[in-house]
Amino acid sequence: EVQLVQSGAEVKKPGESLKISCKGSGYSFTSYWIGWVRQMPGKGLEWMGIIYPGDSDTRYSPSFQGQVTISADKSISTAYLQWSSLKASDTAMYYCARPDGNDYGDLYFQHWGQGTLVTVSS
Amino acid sequence: DIQLTQSPSFLSASVGDRVTITCRASQGISSYLAWYQQKPGKAPKLLIYAASTLQSGVPSRFSGSGSGTEFTLTISSLQPEDFATYYCQQLNSYLSITFGQGTRLEIK
Repeated sequence: EVQLVQSGAEVKKPGESLKISCKGSGYSFTSYWIGWVRQMPGKGLEWMGIIYPGDSDTRYSPSFQGQVTISADKSISTAYLQWSSLKASDTAMYYCARPDGNDYGDLYFQHWGQGTLVTVSS
Repeated sequence: DIQLTQSPSFLSASVGDRVTITCRASQGISSYLAWYQQKPGKAPKLLIYAASTLQSGVPSRFSGSGSGTEFTLTISSLQPEDFATYYCQQLNSYLSITFGQGTRLEIK
Protein backbone atom coordinates (compact mmCIF):
# COMPACT_ATOMS: atom_id res chain seq x y z
CA GLU A 1 0.00 0.00 0.00
CA VAL A 2 1.31 3.42 -0.98
CA GLN A 3 1.68 5.67 2.06
CA LEU A 4 2.89 9.23 2.44
CA VAL A 5 3.50 10.18 6.06
CA GLN A 6 4.24 13.81 6.81
CA SER A 7 6.02 15.35 9.77
CA GLY A 8 4.07 16.90 12.61
CA ALA A 9 2.64 20.37 13.13
CA GLU A 10 5.06 23.24 13.57
CA VAL A 11 4.80 26.58 15.34
CA LYS A 12 7.48 29.06 14.31
CA LYS A 13 8.28 32.74 14.55
CA PRO A 14 8.68 35.06 11.56
CA GLY A 15 12.21 34.92 10.21
CA GLU A 16 12.87 31.37 11.41
CA SER A 17 13.75 28.53 9.06
CA LEU A 18 11.80 25.31 8.68
CA LYS A 19 12.01 22.00 6.85
CA ILE A 20 9.00 19.65 6.77
CA SER A 21 9.07 16.13 5.46
CA CYS A 22 7.05 13.54 3.58
CA LYS A 23 8.14 9.90 3.84
CA GLY A 24 7.01 7.52 1.13
CA SER A 25 6.55 3.80 1.63
CA GLY A 26 5.00 0.86 -0.17
CA TYR A 27 6.51 1.74 -3.53
CA SER A 28 9.77 2.57 -5.29
CA PHE A 29 10.40 6.09 -4.00
CA THR A 30 12.74 7.03 -6.84
CA SER A 31 10.23 6.13 -9.56
CA TYR A 32 7.43 8.64 -8.92
CA TRP A 33 7.11 12.39 -8.72
CA ILE A 34 6.08 13.95 -5.41
CA GLY A 35 4.33 17.29 -5.33
CA TRP A 36 3.62 19.85 -2.62
CA VAL A 37 0.32 21.71 -2.21
CA ARG A 38 -0.48 24.64 0.09
CA GLN A 39 -3.85 25.35 1.63
CA MET A 40 -4.11 28.57 3.60
CA PRO A 41 -6.77 28.72 6.32
CA GLY A 42 -10.22 28.61 4.77
CA LYS A 43 -8.80 28.84 1.25
CA GLY A 44 -8.28 26.63 -1.78
CA LEU A 45 -5.48 24.39 -3.00
CA GLU A 46 -2.32 25.88 -4.48
CA TRP A 47 0.30 23.80 -6.28
CA MET A 48 3.79 24.73 -5.07
CA GLY A 49 6.11 22.43 -6.95
CA ILE A 50 7.13 18.88 -7.71
CA ILE A 51 10.25 16.73 -7.54
CA TYR A 52 11.32 13.48 -9.16
CA PRO A 53 13.44 11.79 -6.49
CA GLY A 54 15.17 9.55 -9.02
CA ASP A 55 17.20 12.43 -10.46
CA SER A 56 16.06 15.38 -8.29
CA ASP A 57 14.42 17.11 -11.27
CA THR A 58 12.40 19.87 -9.56
CA ARG A 59 9.81 22.29 -10.93
CA TYR A 60 8.22 25.17 -9.08
CA SER A 61 5.04 27.14 -9.51
CA PRO A 62 6.00 30.72 -10.46
CA SER A 63 4.20 31.83 -7.31
CA PHE A 64 6.56 29.84 -5.11
CA GLN A 65 9.83 29.97 -7.07
CA GLY A 66 12.48 31.46 -4.81
CA GLN A 67 10.18 31.31 -1.77
CA VAL A 68 10.66 27.64 -0.87
CA THR A 69 13.01 24.79 -1.67
CA ILE A 70 11.88 21.29 -2.53
CA SER A 71 14.32 18.42 -2.12
CA ALA A 72 14.46 14.67 -1.58
CA ASP A 73 16.70 12.13 0.11
CA LYS A 74 16.51 8.85 -1.78
CA SER A 75 18.33 6.95 0.96
CA ILE A 76 15.47 7.44 3.39
CA SER A 77 12.60 7.79 0.87
CA THR A 78 11.75 11.28 2.08
CA ALA A 79 10.84 14.50 0.31
CA TYR A 80 11.20 17.91 1.92
CA LEU A 81 9.78 21.39 1.73
CA GLN A 82 11.81 24.12 3.34
CA TRP A 83 11.81 27.82 4.06
CA SER A 84 14.84 29.94 4.97
CA SER A 85 12.87 32.79 6.50
CA LEU A 86 9.23 32.24 7.37
CA LYS A 87 6.54 34.89 7.16
CA ALA A 88 3.17 35.04 8.85
CA SER A 89 1.63 34.52 5.43
CA ASP A 90 3.24 31.05 5.28
CA THR A 91 0.72 29.89 7.87
CA ALA A 92 -1.09 27.04 6.14
CA MET A 93 -1.63 23.33 5.80
CA TYR A 94 0.91 21.74 3.49
CA TYR A 95 0.25 18.47 1.71
CA CYS A 96 2.57 16.19 -0.20
CA ALA A 97 0.99 14.10 -2.94
CA ARG A 98 2.06 11.43 -5.41
CA PRO A 99 0.65 10.57 -8.81
CA ASP A 100 0.34 7.02 -10.09
CA GLY A 101 1.71 7.99 -13.49
CA ASN A 102 5.11 9.31 -14.49
CA ASP A 103 4.46 10.98 -17.80
CA TYR A 104 4.02 14.76 -17.74
CA GLY A 105 0.46 14.26 -18.90
CA ASP A 106 -0.34 11.77 -16.17
CA LEU A 107 0.49 13.67 -13.00
CA TYR A 108 -2.80 13.41 -11.21
CA PHE A 109 -2.43 13.04 -7.46
CA GLN A 110 -3.90 9.71 -6.39
CA HIS A 111 -2.05 9.54 -3.07
CA TRP A 112 -1.85 12.24 -0.42
CA GLY A 113 -0.09 12.74 2.89
CA GLN A 114 -2.11 13.68 5.93
CA GLY A 115 -0.88 17.27 5.85
CA THR A 116 1.46 19.33 8.02
CA LEU A 117 0.07 22.44 9.67
CA VAL A 118 2.59 25.26 9.83
CA THR A 119 1.77 28.24 12.04
CA VAL A 120 3.98 31.31 11.89
CA SER A 121 3.30 33.85 14.60
CA SER A 122 5.26 36.24 16.73
CA ASP B 1 0.18 30.37 -16.44
CA ILE B 2 -3.06 28.62 -17.24
CA GLN B 3 -5.91 29.78 -15.02
CA LEU B 4 -8.88 27.65 -14.06
CA THR B 5 -12.21 29.23 -13.16
CA GLN B 6 -14.85 27.11 -11.45
CA SER B 7 -18.53 27.92 -11.37
CA PRO B 8 -20.42 28.21 -9.24
CA SER B 9 -18.21 28.95 -6.24
CA PHE B 10 -21.01 27.88 -3.93
CA LEU B 11 -23.84 25.46 -4.55
CA SER B 12 -26.73 24.50 -2.32
CA ALA B 13 -28.52 21.27 -3.21
CA SER B 14 -30.58 18.46 -1.71
CA VAL B 15 -29.96 14.73 -1.39
CA GLY B 16 -30.99 13.08 -4.64
CA ASP B 17 -30.36 16.17 -6.80
CA ARG B 18 -28.27 16.10 -9.94
CA VAL B 19 -25.56 18.74 -9.81
CA THR B 20 -23.01 20.01 -12.30
CA ILE B 21 -19.87 22.00 -11.63
CA THR B 22 -18.01 23.71 -14.47
CA CYS B 23 -14.30 24.38 -14.82
CA ARG B 24 -13.03 26.69 -17.56
CA ALA B 25 -9.38 26.91 -18.58
CA SER B 26 -7.82 30.14 -19.83
CA GLN B 27 -6.32 28.21 -22.75
CA GLY B 28 -6.76 24.78 -24.21
CA ILE B 29 -5.51 21.90 -22.09
CA SER B 30 -6.76 18.97 -24.17
CA SER B 31 -8.05 16.49 -21.58
CA TYR B 32 -5.43 17.12 -18.91
CA LEU B 33 -7.90 17.82 -16.15
CA ALA B 34 -8.77 16.19 -12.84
CA TRP B 35 -11.42 16.66 -10.18
CA TYR B 36 -10.86 16.31 -6.44
CA GLN B 37 -13.19 16.20 -3.46
CA GLN B 38 -12.11 17.62 -0.12
CA LYS B 39 -13.93 17.32 3.17
CA PRO B 40 -13.10 19.53 6.17
CA GLY B 41 -9.88 18.55 7.90
CA LYS B 42 -9.03 15.94 5.28
CA ALA B 43 -6.66 15.68 2.36
CA PRO B 44 -8.18 15.97 -1.12
CA LYS B 45 -9.34 12.81 -2.85
CA LEU B 46 -8.99 12.21 -6.59
CA LEU B 47 -12.35 11.51 -8.25
CA ILE B 48 -11.81 11.92 -12.00
CA TYR B 49 -8.67 12.23 -14.11
CA ALA B 50 -7.97 12.76 -17.79
CA ALA B 51 -11.26 14.71 -17.82
CA SER B 52 -13.53 11.66 -17.77
CA THR B 53 -11.80 8.63 -16.24
CA LEU B 54 -13.25 7.55 -12.93
CA GLN B 55 -10.61 6.85 -10.29
CA SER B 56 -10.77 3.33 -8.91
CA GLY B 57 -13.17 3.04 -5.98
CA VAL B 58 -15.09 6.23 -6.74
CA PRO B 59 -18.87 5.75 -7.04
CA SER B 60 -20.29 5.77 -10.55
CA ARG B 61 -22.64 8.66 -9.71
CA PHE B 62 -19.61 10.87 -10.33
CA SER B 63 -18.76 11.61 -13.95
CA GLY B 64 -16.61 14.06 -15.85
CA SER B 65 -16.67 15.42 -19.36
CA GLY B 66 -15.14 18.04 -21.60
CA SER B 67 -11.95 18.88 -23.42
CA GLY B 68 -10.09 21.96 -24.52
CA THR B 69 -11.24 24.77 -22.27
CA GLU B 70 -14.55 23.66 -20.75
CA PHE B 71 -15.07 20.77 -18.38
CA THR B 72 -17.84 19.55 -16.12
CA LEU B 73 -18.16 17.35 -13.06
CA THR B 74 -21.59 15.84 -12.60
CA ILE B 75 -22.98 14.05 -9.59
CA SER B 76 -26.06 12.20 -10.79
CA SER B 77 -27.83 11.76 -7.45
CA LEU B 78 -26.37 13.54 -4.44
CA GLN B 79 -25.68 11.47 -1.37
CA PRO B 80 -25.14 12.88 2.13
CA GLU B 81 -21.42 12.05 1.96
CA ASP B 82 -21.00 14.14 -1.22
CA PHE B 83 -21.34 17.47 0.53
CA ALA B 84 -17.80 18.81 0.33
CA THR B 85 -15.62 21.19 -1.66
CA TYR B 86 -14.63 20.23 -5.20
CA TYR B 87 -11.54 21.38 -7.10
CA CYS B 88 -10.46 20.98 -10.67
CA GLN B 89 -6.76 20.67 -11.52
CA GLN B 90 -4.95 21.02 -14.83
CA LEU B 91 -1.49 19.99 -15.89
CA ASN B 92 0.43 20.66 -19.05
CA SER B 93 3.51 19.35 -20.75
CA TYR B 94 5.76 21.85 -19.01
CA LEU B 95 4.87 20.45 -15.59
CA SER B 96 2.87 23.49 -14.67
CA ILE B 97 -0.07 22.57 -12.50
CA THR B 98 -2.90 24.75 -11.27
CA PHE B 99 -6.08 24.23 -9.28
CA GLY B 100 -9.40 25.94 -9.64
CA GLN B 101 -10.61 28.09 -6.75
CA GLY B 102 -13.05 25.45 -5.54
CA THR B 103 -16.80 24.87 -5.41
CA ARG B 104 -18.37 24.40 -2.02
CA LEU B 105 -21.38 22.08 -2.15
CA GLU B 106 -23.72 22.38 0.81
CA ILE B 107 -26.96 20.81 1.88
CA LYS B 108 -30.07 22.85 1.14
